[in-house]
Amino acid sequence: QQQVKQSPQSLIVQKGGIPIINCAYENTAFDYFPWYQQFPGKGPALLIAIRPDVSEKKEGRFTISFNKSAKQFSLHIMDSQPGDSATYFCAASKGGGTSYGKLTFGQGTILTVHP
Amino acid sequence: GAVVSQHPSRVICKSGTSVKIECRSLDFQATTMFWYRQFPKQSLMLMATSNEGSKATYEQGVEKDKFLINHASLTLSTLTVTSAHPEDSSFYICSAPTGMSNQPQHFGDGTRLSIL
Repeated sequence: QQQVKQSPQSLIVQKGGIPIINCAYENTAFDYFPWYQQFPGKGPALLIAIRPDVSEKKEGRFTISFNKSAKQFSLHIMDSQPGDSATYFCAASKGGGTSYGKLTFGQGTILTVHP
Repeated sequence: GAVVSQHPSRVICKSGTSVKIECRSLDFQATTMFWYRQFPKQSLMLMATSNEGSKATYEQGVEKDKFLINHASLTLSTLTVTSAHPEDSSFYICSAPTGMSNQPQHFGDGTRLSIL
């Protein structure tokens, strides 16, 4: 019930394309859903995050769509660039109790943006 | 913005050596920090929660005597891999939260540990 399932495992798009990465969760107690970008040899960097009281959040070229009833959320990258090539992780956490702040990560998606 | 510094970035040492990794919050205080482990091409797995002034909380299956955690101050947590063996080779990453409900979390740049 703690799992977050992420797909696809890898994704290749052309420059300017809109890659979409999907995540699904089971635990309805999750109340915070961040997306992280990781380059080789570096730690994850927070891109954007959403809480379940909104259905969409946009920051720059990155948009999260959230479907509470389906327990799914996705990341859209508008006008993708070769510099966006990285591994993307979705995550989820719940506040309170012994799980306070613990992030459960998805399996990751390796995104390649061709010039 | 919030910055988490991790040191060293890379360690190569012989089997049986103990290795200490530091995680510092540079411009904020963190009563809680988290330690993760990441194998190549895999996701991050939470190892333990580091609590300032009290014992760390370890995830199931993580050996607390192997991975010693000390949260000595509001800006520093250390992870010591004791008597490291080749199977301990991995990418270790810490994070520190800056907001309510311990979110958002900001990550250090990780430590690549290679045990020969």
